[in-house]
Amino acid sequence: QQQVKQSPQSLIVQKGGISIINCAYENTAFDYFPWYQQFPGKGPALLIAIRPDVSEKKEGRFTISFNKSAKQFSLHIMDSQPGDSATYFCAASKQGGSEKLVFGKGTKLTVNP
Amino acid sequence: ETGVTQSPTHLIKTRGQQVTLRCSSQSGHNTVSWYQQALGQGPQFIFQYYREEENGRGNFPPRFSGLQFPNYSSELNVNALELDDSALYLCASSSRDYSYEQYFGPGTRLTVT
Repeated sequence: QQQVKQSPQSLIVQKGGISIINCAYENTAFDYFPWYQQFPGKGPALLIAIRPDVSEKKEGRFTISFNKSAKQFSLHIMDSQPGDSATYFCAASKQGGSEKLVFGKGTKLTVNP
Repeated sequence: ETGVTQSPTHLIKTRGQQVTLRCSSQSGHNTVSWYQQALGQGPQFIFQYYREEENGRGNFPPRFSGLQFPNYSSELNVNALELDDSALYLCASSSRDYSYEQYFGPGTRLTVT
């Protein structure tokens, strides 16, 4: 049973464009939703995270949109750059994030120059 | 402030052997979580240690075991290695005292032949 579904599996955008990655979850007990960026051969790096008491959180070019009723959240990367080319993972956790992270399967983003 | 470190970087073992992987948590963090990441997949939770006690376990057999030491560093031990154990093993450190954000190390790439 996949608790966090992520789409698309891969994404190609042009430099300067907007990259959008979507995730849906099933367990309503989840209350912490982080996004991680992973480059080949490296560990995942925490990008940005949101809790259900807000519908949107922005940090620089990265924005999380959260829809509690639909049990969906998404990552928007504005002004995408070739250096953003990486695999992005959404995740979810319970108890404010103190429990295990349940990850989506990842989205491979390629930003063409 | 030092980040999460893991050793070794790469490891090649033979089926049936045993392996020990090590993780040093980020300064100020008291919780370590271990994840297994198969190629092209999202990380899967193995177990978590908080103040030297196991605090949650994923769907992994008992031949996966761990320890956390008083300085909050941790070990992951895998006995009777199987070919399917080939993966990137990640540890993530966090603090249950002020923030639950999990920060990952670079991982150990284990190959079982």
